[in-house]
Amino acid sequence: EAGVVQSPRYKIIEKKQPVAFWCNPISGHNTLYWYLQNLGQGPELLIRYENEEAVDDSQLPKDRFSAERLKGVDSTLKIQPAELGDSAVYLCASSLAVGQGPGELFFGEGSRLTVL
Amino acid sequence: AQSVTQLGSHVSVSEGALVLLRCNYSSSVPPYLFWYVQYPNQGLQLLLKYTTGATLVKGINGFEAEFKKSETSFHLTKPSAHMSDAAEYFCAGVMNTGNQFYFGTGTSLTVIP
Repeated sequence: EAGVVQSPRYKIIEKKQPVAFWCNPISGHNTLYWYLQNLGQGPELLIRYENEEAVDDSQLPKDRFSAERLKGVDSTLKIQPAELGDSAVYLCASSLAVGQGPGELFFGEGSRLTVL
Repeated sequence: AQSVTQLGSHVSVSEGALVLLRCNYSSSVPPYLFWYVQYPNQGLQLLLKYTTGATLVKGINGFEAEFKKSETSFHLTKPSAHMSDAAEYFCAGVMNTGNQFYFGTGTSLTVIP
């Protein structure tokens, strides 16, 4: 079974440029997460989708970040314009709750963004 | 506030020695708890999880963790460290019936030959 696929793995851009990341979750997983991971830190939630609906986007900087999950499958995360402080790893994860409790998170390998 | 705290951002052990990585949670209700491992330039992968039932949880690669409600802890242990265990370890919790995961800041494990 294929895991969570993210692209691109690495991206280097100039500040003020736009950038987009793509995520394909594990087939059948209804919950999709975008996390931000700074160096030496744990993942921080940006947005969580339940199917097509963004159920938690309270930590998403909406002035420059946007996300979508069309048809409840693939998702894209966009930054426009990028700032120096956006340099980080953007992780996508998916899960499927079965029975009691939350489903475990399955992570992609991440997209490392460097803003110059 | 609901959170997960990892004590010690860096832990070094000798090969063959006991590994102990600490995690404490703050929640008024028993949470669901997880340990994830991250190797360089990779995503996180699940080591083990506690949902309900047995408080001693066994995971992959010889790791285990014990949920102690009285101490609000979920420490990760392995009896004998291997060089391949060198990685970043994250404790995470889901504190309510939703799907919001709270991650600790991570502990970097170094294994000394």
